[in-house]
Parts: sequence; structure tokens; C-alpha cells
Amino acid sequence: QVQLQESGPGLLKPSQTLSLTCTVSGGSISGDSHYWNWIRQPAGKGLEWIGRIYTSGSTNNNPSLKSRVTISVDTSKNQFSLKLRSVTAADTAVYYCARDRGTAIMFDAFDIWGHGTLVTVSS
Amino acid sequence: SYVLTQPPSVSVAPGQTARVICGGNNIGTKGVHWYQQKPGQAPVLVVYDNSDRPSRIPERFSGSNSGNTATLTISRVEAGDEADYYCQVWDSTSDHYVFGGGTKVSVL
Repeated sequence: QVQLQESGPGLLKPSQTLSLTCTVSGGSISGDSHYWNWIRQPAGKGLEWIGRIYTSGSTNNNPSLKSRVTISVDTSKNQFSLKLRSVTAADTAVYYCARDRGTAIMFDAFDIWGHGTLVTVSS
Repeated sequence: SYVLTQPPSVSVAPGQTARVICGGNNIGTKGVHWYQQKPGQAPVLVVYDNSDRPSRIPERFSGSNSGNTATLTISRVEAGDEADYYCQVWDSTSDHYVFGGGTKVSVL
């Protein structure tokens, strides 16, 4: 059974770059036609989709985050990663990685989620 | 950017039916997914593509979508259904996912 686990620093200072990794276990990240996603949730607030990467390496990002986001994949480590540049306190949130169901359609649902990791931005 | 509107809260007595609304412009032309999130936990997919259910989800959870409103219906509500529920669609004009603001379902 596929499982996802987020990892990375939990505390950052303003203007730094947030770097998170999602490790995929129980299956190959390149084995099927899945989109691999990042989502975040500030405390007490709703979900915000950050972006995704396809098995082929193509990406889509949330326009609200403009050009601050980079998502990449490392098939040799069975991981995909998120970089968010120039963070502010507004980027403080629980960050989740998630996999879609793998039907290869652009608007598929997310059927597997990581447990989430809290990232705090504070000086 | 496409906007999804959900009521902040819905209250329902055990055994009754809860309906969670997700409003959006011509949302009936889109595929809507629904997630359940309990405190301190990651979201769980309960309905996808408007009305389909993952195999692990009870039949009490169902969905519909028409016009400007998508609906998640929870029949015979149980205490364990108390959670936040989020709708999600793909905004094809700017190629990104949008989530509704979430609805807290409280079981009285």
C-alpha cells in the first residue's frame, strides 16, 4: 500500500526558502500515471493547493503563489520536493503531499495523503 | 479565478441527513471531489467525480452536481461523521485546483 511522508525544516525565518520532501513508499513514483501534489493549510483555515508534478516531470502551480514555487521529482530516491522562496509569516501552515488516483486526467481526486508537516515562519 | 462557496457550518441530529453545499459558477459542468478532515488529521477522499465513492467509504456518503451547486449528502449521520468537509474542482482557465472554504458538520 502506497504511503507518503513529508519531511523538512519546521522553522524558517522570513525571506528564506522553504524546502520539503515527500517520500513515497510501497510503490514507485514513476510506475503509474500519477500527479504528485503539494497542499497547505494554515491553522484553523482551509486547504490551498500549491502545485503538482506529473510522472513525466511537467508541473502546474497555483497562480496565487506566482513564481515562488518549484516542484521537482527524484525518481532514484522515490521522492518529490517543494521549494517556496521568499517566505513570510503568511506561509506558516501544515504542508501536505498527496497523490491523485492515477487516471491520467488533469482534474483527478487525491486518494492518498501524507500526514502533513508544520512549517512555521518567524523571525 | 474560480471561487467555490461553502457554508461555514451545518448541524444535524444523529440518524438524520446532512447536506453540504458547494456553490460555483456553472459548477455542474465540472467534476467535483469531496474530502473529510477530522481534527489533527489529513483529509480523506469521500466522493470523487461528483458522485463516485472510494471503496472504503460507506454508502451513506453520496454526491450530486447540477447547475451552480454541488451537494455532499451524508445519510443516517453518526457521531463519527463530525468533521470539516471540503469540495474541490479543477479551474481549467488557469490550470489549478480550487478548494471550497470548508464546512464544519456538527452532530448534535
